[in-house]
Order: sequence, then C-alpha cells, then structure tokens
Amino acid sequence: GESVGLHLPTLSVQEGDNSIINCAYSNSASDYFIWYKQESGKGPQFIIDIRSNMDKRQGQRVTVLLNKTVKHLSLQIAATQPGDSAVYFCAERAGNNRKLIWGLGTSLAVNP
Amino acid sequence: SAVISQKPSRDICQRGTSLTIQCQVDSQVTMMFWYRQQPGQSLTLIATANQGSEATYESGFVIDKFPISRPNLTFSTLTVSNMSPEDSSIYLCSVEREVSYNEQFFGPGTRLTVL
Repeated sequence: GESVGLHLPTLSVQEGDNSIINCAYSNSASDYFIWYKQESGKGPQFIIDIRSNMDKRQGQRVTVLLNKTVKHLSLQIAATQPGDSAVYFCAERAGNNRKLIWGLGTSLAVNP
Repeated sequence: SAVISQKPSRDICQRGTSLTIQCQVDSQVTMMFWYRQQPGQSLTLIATANQGSEATYESGFVIDKFPISRPNLTFSTLTVSNMSPEDSSIYLCSVEREVSYNEQFFGPGTRLTVL
C-alpha cells in the first residue's frame, strides 16, 4: 500500500467566504514567487506569480501579497467555491537559478 | 502556456524492474524538469534536463538510478531503475521557457506503485 505521508495543514472555509493561505519563504535572495494549485490526481497548475519589486498582484478572484521584510507570502481567494478545493503550494526562485524551492503545501477544503 | 502529456499515467511494477516515463510537450522548450511527489507531500526536484547536455541531478538523486534522456526540445524520458517499494510515488515533468520570471508548467504526473 501507499506510505503514510505528512499531514498537510488544512484550511476549511465556507463556500462564498474569502480564503487566505499563507507561506513563509526561506531565501532572502528570492526574487520571484509563484502559487500553484494541485487537485487530486493532477499536476500543479499555475495560479499567479509576483516579482520581488511588487508587494501585491491581483488576478481573477485571487490576490497575492508579498512582505519581503518578514519573508511572507499569502494567497487570497475571494468568494471561495467548491472547485477551489485543492492543495496550494507556494514556490520561490532566486535570480537566474531556475530551480524552484517549494513550500509544504496547504489543503483547502470548501464546505458547501 | 504549454500542454504536457506523460505516459504512462500510472503503473504497478515489481521490485527490481525498471520503468521509463515519457514526457511530451506541444512546443519547443529549453528547460525540462523531473520531480517526485510522495503522497501528501510537496514536490522534490530530481533533475533538470536540458537538450544537448547531461542532466543535472539534485542531491540524493543519481544518474544510475534515474537516467534521463532529452533527445530534442519537446521530449524527455525519466527511467526509474531497479525499483523498490520506496520508489512508489508520483513523478512529474515540468517545462519552462528560458525567460526571466517565467512559470513552470506541469504534466499530469505518473503514479507509480512498486510491489
């Protein structure tokens, strides 16, 4: 059978509420950050990205906030829907290094 | 964006055998990556595969165990050799165009179970 993995942090929200998923990154030299959504049985899907010269970026129903002082990244999802249920990963990258450093992930559960 | 397919989507293999996973992209890309993801965990980079050069492996991964081919700009393979149950995982390929501040796009993954 499958091995037992670590339990991901879980955020439960009511449908229609706003969700905030947080991520602490490690490298002060990181200058590019990405949020990915991974649904069960699928590969990660790009949601939104932000460069270090910005502190906020908005997409469709999503907003990413970057606080470089405390090395903190957040993803806000407005009017959360059942289709938003997934695991969300933040990732960071520094300069010309193409390697992404991945966060541990947060499982978002949307209650109808 | 890029459309990425992987074959097989899943497989169940016997200990000691090898499996080759294929990754096909619908457009030419400079950089391709192979990841492993254990159930309920984050992604771990195995290696970076660039066309025309040897793959670059991350700490803890070696070419003898995970040989990679990159024959052209749209295709790559990852072989999991001499498998053991600890190799049971999801294997993902991703691609990126070599442009500053550019996201990686992921394939659907290959779910491998080793008995």
